[in-house]
Amino acid sequence: GAVVSQHPSRVICKSGTSVKIECRSLDFQATTMFWYRQFPKKSLMLMATSNEGSKATYEQGVEKDKFLINHASLTLSTLTVTSAHPEDSSFYICSAIDSSNTGELFFGEGSRLTVL
Amino acid sequence: ELKVEQNPLFLSMQEGKNYTIYCNYSTTSDRLYWYRQDPGKSLESLFVLLSNGAVKQEGRLMASLDTKARLSTLHITAAVHDLSATYFCAVLYNNNDMRFGAGTRLTVKP
Repeated sequence: GAVVSQHPSRVICKSGTSVKIECRSLDFQATTMFWYRQFPKKSLMLMATSNEGSKATYEQGVEKDKFLINHASLTLSTLTVTSAHPEDSSFYICSAIDSSNTGELFFGEGSRLTVL
Repeated sequence: ELKVEQNPLFLSMQEGKNYTIYCNYSTTSDRLYWYRQDPGKSLESLFVLLSNGAVKQEGRLMASLDTKARLSTLHITAAVHDLSATYFCAVLYNNNDMRFGAGTRLTVKP
């Protein structure tokens, strides 16, 4: 089946540094990818919709300059957490729609970010 | 406002019993999804429902969709411990707006 690969799965960084998370669709093209944040024991919170070749659409309350999203190709979207702080620590998950098939949505493995 | 309401939020079941999780949504959608999440893991796709009356079954799980009522159900038959997890429904709007329910934390007890 279709696979979405997310990397890194875990990252620990110092406060003030930037962290890049990659989301790749391995065997299908994804014009649209989604980035989510999940707090412990909570549901997924949509941060932004990433559209290939155009600017991402951010949800209300999500800082565009803080969470930079780039969707440069049909198989890759990246989320960069800039100048990370401890409150940015979370589980970040990406997903991609296989638009060529049934429109099924596949999720990456998630990236657990810990900012010290 | 786009809303996806899922209930119950917590469900404790005995093995062998049946139960249903409900997912209501507020606006006409393109697709409805069901996912399973184990602790510390990402989401595993269970079902995608595309049209009114759609019913899909996999093992002890069966999902259905009623677009007129804006309701989807996930029915669990003869629960086993391995089904313990958190289950999410999610609705796709306009092909680019994805909303999740709050999740149902299912615990199946021996």
